[in-house]
Amino acid sequence: EVQLVESGGGLVQPGGSLTLSCEVSGLTFSDHYMSWVRQAPGRGLEWVAKITPDGSRKSYVDSLRGRFVVSRDNTKNSLYLQMDSLRVEDTAVYYCARDFWFSCDYWGQGALVIVSS
Amino acid sequence: DVVMTQSPLSLPVTLGQPASISCRSSRSPVHSNGNIYLSWFQQRPGQSPRRLIYEVSRRDSGVPDRFSGSGSGTDFTLRISRVEAEDVGVYYCMQGIHWPPTFGQGTKVEMK
Repeated sequence: EVQLVESGGGLVQPGGSLTLSCEVSGLTFSDHYMSWVRQAPGRGLEWVAKITPDGSRKSYVDSLRGRFVVSRDNTKNSLYLQMDSLRVEDTAVYYCARDFWFSCDYWGQGALVIVSS
Repeated sequence: DVVMTQSPLSLPVTLGQPASISCRSSRSPVHSNGNIYLSWFQQRPGQSPRRLIYEVSRRDSGVPDRFSGSGSGTDFTLRISRVEAEDVGVYYCMQGIHWPPTFGQGTKVEMK
């Protein structure tokens, strides 16, 4: 059974930093593109970032480039999202997902990030 | 960015009756290989998104056959042949071929 489990969410002040983790099991992690998608409270889904299987190439939605960094450790079957200079509008549930042929077929349960003073 | 426009945004449904959701893309999600990378997701209340349909009409494993997808070019449709109570939730279309991947606004399906 494929499982994606996010962790690291929480409450952070504006301007602060947070790193999310996503541990993947049930598939050969190092073979797959992975993505982060977020959902603000009561809102729709928004792509955040995508990373190649070997971690050599990363793509970000324009509005987040420079503040967010996606990375992975294939020895730990883990995906990460480092978020800096957080803003109130970054408050959302952050999902990791396997990205396979331009779609996401497996999703985690999500990690809630609240940016508030 | 490619804009995905869904209609309706709210869909009251009746148990056992059919339902359909439309999705229009501002740019065709067709790959150079000829495949169209248009997906549909269901998000039940309090849950993560679940993919139902990929490449316009291919149903994911475990998805009931009452769900079907169709379309071409820039116009796509998700159909539920006979709505069941467990189908309540928000449905999103998504194109994955043009960066960044983009979702529709979501269609909320609820029981009348």
